[in-house]
Amino acid sequence: DGGITQSPKYLFRKEGQNVTLSCEQNLNHDAMYWYRQDPGQGLRLIYYSQIVNDFQKGDIAEGYSVSREKKESFPLTVTSAQKNPTAFYLCASSRGDSYEQYFGPGTRLTVT
Amino acid sequence: RKEVEQDPGPFNVPEGATVAFNCTYSNSASQSFFWYRQDCRKEPKLLMSVYSSGNEDGRFTAQLNRASQYISLLIRDSKLSDSATYLCVVKYGAAGNKLTFGGGTRVLVKP
Repeated sequence: DGGITQSPKYLFRKEGQNVTLSCEQNLNHDAMYWYRQDPGQGLRLIYYSQIVNDFQKGDIAEGYSVSREKKESFPLTVTSAQKNPTAFYLCASSRGDSYEQYFGPGTRLTVT
Repeated sequence: RKEVEQDPGPFNVPEGATVAFNCTYSNSASQSFFWYRQDCRKEPKLLMSVYSSGNEDGRFTAQLNRASQYISLLIRDSKLSDSATYLCVVKYGAAGNKLTFGGGTRVLVKP
């Protein structure tokens, strides 16, 4: 069964701690993305990667970091520098030549 | 001004009725347009692409008006299962696959 998995579904952390969100895909897609969604708002792009070992900042990269060591994996670290980390985080992937992005089920992060 | 703007709704629609809503975009260089559907607390899923000549997929019709810089979505014969948030998505530029999302229009279909 091909798809994108994100874990965990819910994550709770104390302020000041770094936390890493997992994203794995077995669709053989080259491109992967991380978005953040706040209540009642659209998705905002954090980071994206079009190929292994390469990634670019999106619109709101401050306070986040990523790595792309394997084609199927694109973990996102929310650092203590991110001022408002509580949000719904969505990972997506797409073929390099296709615009359709397939989304994972998301991780709801709550930082108190 | 936001790059992609939508009426947040909700649009309360009687079952079987028709509902339509628009999305405006600010960048005239926008190249591609899509409608995604997002159910409550779930991930977005592609509903349909929007073509210049307009296109239809079953009960859903999408239109693009480049002169006025908006796209529209019309849902005919609304079903209870159509209740969701509909996200307008725009792609700018030729490089990469970066999408810009609107805030979504919430539709509630009621019996």
